[in-house]
Amino acid sequence: TQLLEQSPQFLSIQEGENLTVYCNSSSVFSSLQWYRQEPGEGPVLLVTVVTGGEVKKLKRLTFQFGDARKDSSLHITAAQPGDTGLYLCAGLNTNAGKSTFGDGTTLTVKP
Amino acid sequence: NAGVTQTPKFQVLKTGQSMTLQCAQDMNHEYMSWYRQDPGMGLRLIHYSVGAGITDQGEVPNGYNVSRSTTEDFPLRLLSAAPSQTSVYFCASSSTDQPQHFGDGTRLSIL
Repeated sequence: TQLLEQSPQFLSIQEGENLTVYCNSSSVFSSLQWYRQEPGEGPVLLVTVVTGGEVKKLKRLTFQFGDARKDSSLHITAAQPGDTGLYLCAGLNTNAGKSTFGDGTTLTVKP
Repeated sequence: NAGVTQTPKFQVLKTGQSMTLQCAQDMNHEYMSWYRQDPGMGLRLIHYSVGAGITDQGEVPNGYNVSRSTTEDFPLRLLSAAPSQTSVYFCASSSTDQPQHFGDGTRLSIL
């Protein structure tokens, strides 16, 4: 069974601070996705990383895929209250359509 | 496009009752999946399908049945509802070149 561990589980910071969320596994994935979920809604895809060592930027969010494609990180610069939500990482194996999700990081950004 | 549509949005059942959660997608995606989300546990895969007529078990399949008679629809059936099945259920669809799109979820309570 492939497992993904996310840390920290909860994070509460002030507006303007920086933060990093980690997603680690002992398994190799063909790609890894980061999602953001707001209360009462389904997860919404933020980014997919495919290549080992890949770095993608989405405005103030920076995503990195580890060289061995086993881990990933999400860094948010100058966090804003609108960034509040549940951040989920998911690893996709070659059996397309079957993803393994981490337990999520609940982020609260206080104004 | 409507994307992934789940019905109902809310449901309360008594222990032992059966019901079907509906999921439909209009993106012609080959792959569809059902997840349940419990507090602090991320998303766990129940069943998934890689195409019409093909289904397979995920992490937590016990107590649930699925069928995939068409590309568009992937209903999830609870055979005899138990309190442990109280959860939020998400359906997702994807293809080889499209990441998973999620519905808004069905909130199910078993009394």
